[in-house]
Amino acid sequence: EAAVTQSPRNKVTVTGGNVTLSCRQTNSHNYMYWYRQDTGHGLRLIHYSYGAGNLQIGDVPDGYKATRTTQEDFFLLLELASPSQTSLYFCASSGTGGSSYEQYFGPGTRLTVL
Amino acid sequence: QQKVQQSPESLSVPEGGMASLNCTSSDRNFQYFWWYRQHSGEGPKALMSIFSDGDKKEGRFTAHLNKASLHVSLHIRDSQPSDSALYFCAASEPSNNRIFFGDGTQLVVKP
Repeated sequence: EAAVTQSPRNKVTVTGGNVTLSCRQTNSHNYMYWYRQDTGHGLRLIHYSYGAGNLQIGDVPDGYKATRTTQEDFFLLLELASPSQTSLYFCASSGTGGSSYEQYFGPGTRLTVL
Repeated sequence: QQKVQQSPESLSVPEGGMASLNCTSSDRNFQYFWWYRQHSGEGPKALMSIFSDGDKKEGRFTAHLNKASLHVSLHIRDSQPSDSALYFCAASEPSNNRIFFGDGTQLVVKP
């Protein structure tokens, strides 16, 4: 089964701090995604990528940067974190031709911005 | 406007009962539909996909798709406490490599 790992699993930072969330998939998937999950809003797409060096903008990109360094690794960067970015963050991956392929999710990172 | 709407927001059924979840999309380009399930403390996991009109049955789970009305449903018969979870409907189009998720239905199966 596809494996997606995320680190850290929990993170607490202060307003204005810098945070990097990491995601690694070991299934040779081309597509990787970053979502945030908030009560009442379901899963909202922040950024996604179809390969190393590529970045596509999702629906809620403001305040977030992302970088895909290799096929396996996708990072989400929060510069000058704000309390509104307190959320549960999920990374996911899927195969080529993403729309008809299952997305595999990691276990999530809970971020708290004080 | 949210492209995928789910109802109800929450649902409680007795153990052994039938749970019915509904989903409607507003984008006629959508061709692929999914149900994802998320247990507490875990990431979502694909439960079923349905790409053609009609019913698709997998064990106790049956998905139904009507592309003309852009309506998808999920029916869980003989519900078990382990089915208690957040269920997401998702949809995508052939030319797009992303999936649009609904806000989810929280299912509670009471023993």
